[in-house]
Amino acid sequence: GQNIDQPTEMTATEGAIVQINCTYQTSGFNGLFWYQQHAGEAPTFLSYNVLDGLEEKGHFSSFLSRSKGYSYLLLKELQMKDSASYLCAVRDGDYKLSFGAGTTVTVRA
Amino acid sequence: KAGVTQTPRYLIKTRGQQVTLSCSPISGHRSVSWYQQTPGQGLQFLFEYFSETQRNKGNFPGRFSGRQFSNSRSEMNVSTLELGDSALYLCASSETTSGEFVFYNEQFFGPGTRLTVL
Repeated sequence: GQNIDQPTEMTATEGAIVQINCTYQTSGFNGLFWYQQHAGEAPTFLSYNVLDGLEEKGHFSSFLSRSKGYSYLLLKELQMKDSASYLCAVRDGDYKLSFGAGTTVTVRA
Repeated sequence: KAGVTQTPRYLIKTRGQQVTLSCSPISGHRSVSWYQQTPGQGLQFLFEYFSETQRNKGNFPGRFSGRQFSNSRSEMNVSTLELGDSALYLCASSETTSGEFVFYNEQFFGPGTRLTVL
C-alpha cells in the first residue's frame, strides 16, 4: 500500500515560519498535493508539485524531491488564521490519490 | 459557480442498515471522488469516477459501493452498516480538460455528510 508520513502537530508563533515535512513511499508517482483544512470545514487546495524544486505562491511555498520521496510546505509570516490541519496527498502510478494523516498547526500570539 | 453539494449533511443509522449518500459536483466537473474521514485514520480514499466509470477504488470492503450518473452526480452506498463506519464522508470534484480525465487538477471538496452509526 501507500505510505505517507507527516508530523502530527506543530506549534509556532504569529509572524514566524513553519515547515511541514511529508515523506512518501508509493507505487509510482504522478504528483503531490497540499491541502489546508480548518476545523469543521472541507479541505481546500494549496499547491501541486510534480517536478523537483520549489513552487512559491506568496504566503505558501512547496518543495518536492522525487528521488528522496520528500516534500515540504512552508508557511511564511504566520497568521492566526493559518491554524489548521495541513494534508499531504500523493497520486500514485495508477493515479490513485492517497492522503497523509495531516499535520495540525497551532499559531500562538 | 455553485460549489460541491452533498446530501444529507447529517445522518444517524443503526447497525445493519444501509445508507445512500449523494454528491453533486461543480457544474462542468466530470471527475468525482469519495473519501472517508475519521480522527484516527484521516482521509481515506474510497472511489474515483469519471464519465460514469470507476477509475480507481480504495481498500474498503465490498459493502462500500458507488456510481456516477450521466449528469456527473454521484452516489455512494454502504450496506450492513457497522459502528466503525461512523465518519465524515467527503465528496470532491475536479475539472476535466478537453473532456479528458486530468490527474493534476485540484479537487474541490463538498461540506461532507456526517454519518453516525449506533
